[in-house]
Amino acid sequence: DGGITQSPKYLFRKEGQNVTLSCEQNLNHDAMYWYRQDPGQGLRLIYYSQIVNDFQKGDIAEGYSVSREKKESFPLTVTSAQKNPTAFYLCASSISRLRGTGELFFGEGSRLTVL
Amino acid sequence: GESVGLHLPTLSVQEGDNSIINCAYSNSASDYFIWYKQESGKGPQFIIDIRSNMDKRQGQRVTVLLNKTVKHLSLQIAATQPGDSAVYFCAENRYISDSGYALNFGKGTSLLVTP
Repeated sequence: DGGITQSPKYLFRKEGQNVTLSCEQNLNHDAMYWYRQDPGQGLRLIYYSQIVNDFQKGDIAEGYSVSREKKESFPLTVTSAQKNPTAFYLCASSISRLRGTGELFFGEGSRLTVL
Repeated sequence: GESVGLHLPTLSVQEGDNSIINCAYSNSASDYFIWYKQESGKGPQFIIDIRSNMDKRQGQRVTVLLNKTVKHLSLQIAATQPGDSAVYFCAENRYISDSGYALNFGKGTSLLVTP
């Protein structure tokens, strides 16, 4: 079945450690996104990529990094510079970066807890 | 700044009743809106969308109404069922740069269906 796979589902990290969250899609979508969700909050955009080998910062990119070497993959690294990394991270994709095709397909999320 | 917001953080309805979830937006240039449903610990799922050239759109048991004059949209769920209990988000298509668009999400409304 086509979809978006995020891993791991749960992750624990010690302070000062970098951690990488995986996101893979087999929907042949051009655009991919990372959102962060805190309890009782909406989703905030971290990074997005509209095409392979290109990505842009979203609203809260500080302390995060991404790469887009393959169309199917858009990993997110939470670095030690991120001051409050404990959150639920959601990866999404959409068919095209073009206007009017705004529907995003989401993965099941990765919950990161910093100990 | 421009934002998408919701009037009520929680909504409790009795099974079988109709539910109405409201959302206000501030960007008058927004032309595409989506409603998502998020169950606990999962990624958001698409429910229904509407473009700004429409006032109303219906799906299975759901209707979205858009009032551009007051920049307000609502999600109506008919004959609410226990499985409808979730957090509901409205989102607007948002221009980021020449690279394309992303979705801007509101904080969400928690819908609780009681027997």
